[in-house]
Amino acid sequence: DVKVTQSSRYLVKRTGEKVFLECVQDMDHENMFWYRQDPGLGLRLIYFSYDVKMKEKGDIPEGYSVSREKKERFSLILESASTNQTSMYLCASMMDRASYEQYFGPGTRLTVT
Amino acid sequence: LAKTTQPISMDSYEGQEVNITCSHNNIATNDYITWYQQFPSQGPRFIIQGYKTKVTNEVASLFIPADRKSSTLSLPRVSLSDTAVYYCLVVRNTGGFKTIFGAGTRLFVKA
Repeated sequence: DVKVTQSSRYLVKRTGEKVFLECVQDMDHENMFWYRQDPGLGLRLIYFSYDVKMKEKGDIPEGYSVSREKKERFSLILESASTNQTSMYLCASMMDRASYEQYFGPGTRLTVT
Repeated sequence: LAKTTQPISMDSYEGQEVNITCSHNNIATNDYITWYQQFPSQGPRFIIQGYKTKVTNEVASLFIPADRKSSTLSLPRVSLSDTAVYYCLVVRNTGGFKTIFGAGTRLFVKA
């Protein structure tokens, strides 16, 4: 079974802090994604990566950056956390461009106070 | 990328077949349709994907008409454990990756 793990289930940070969310997948998948999920809005794509050191913006990249130095690890960075970034953050991986099946992690609920 | 529209919620009883329809009027030629299931406090889980006609796996069936402007997820003989939110997605995986999750359909299965 594919396993996607996220570094924290719950995180509380203060406004202005730099926040790192880590995601690791164990199936050698090429593609990795970061989403945020908010009530009534479904999931929205922040960034994705289709290879090491490669990244593309999703629909809502503002205020976020990402890093993918190793194939199995994809990090989401909030450079200066703000209260409107309080959300559930979900990481996913997908085997390759011919596949449409994403495997999701359990999510990190981030609260920015 | 085509926006998806699906009912906000549905109720059913154990043992019934449930059909959830999603509209995606502006779907493009290269776009695929996928469905996910999400339980509280978990990430979404892939159910099924399709391009046209009918696809069936051990969990569900997906019906897509010829014009591809809608799709219907069919869950046979639901049980209480099928209570979840179901998301319809249109996915484009050419010339960059694009996907839009809608707000989902909250299915409540009653005994």
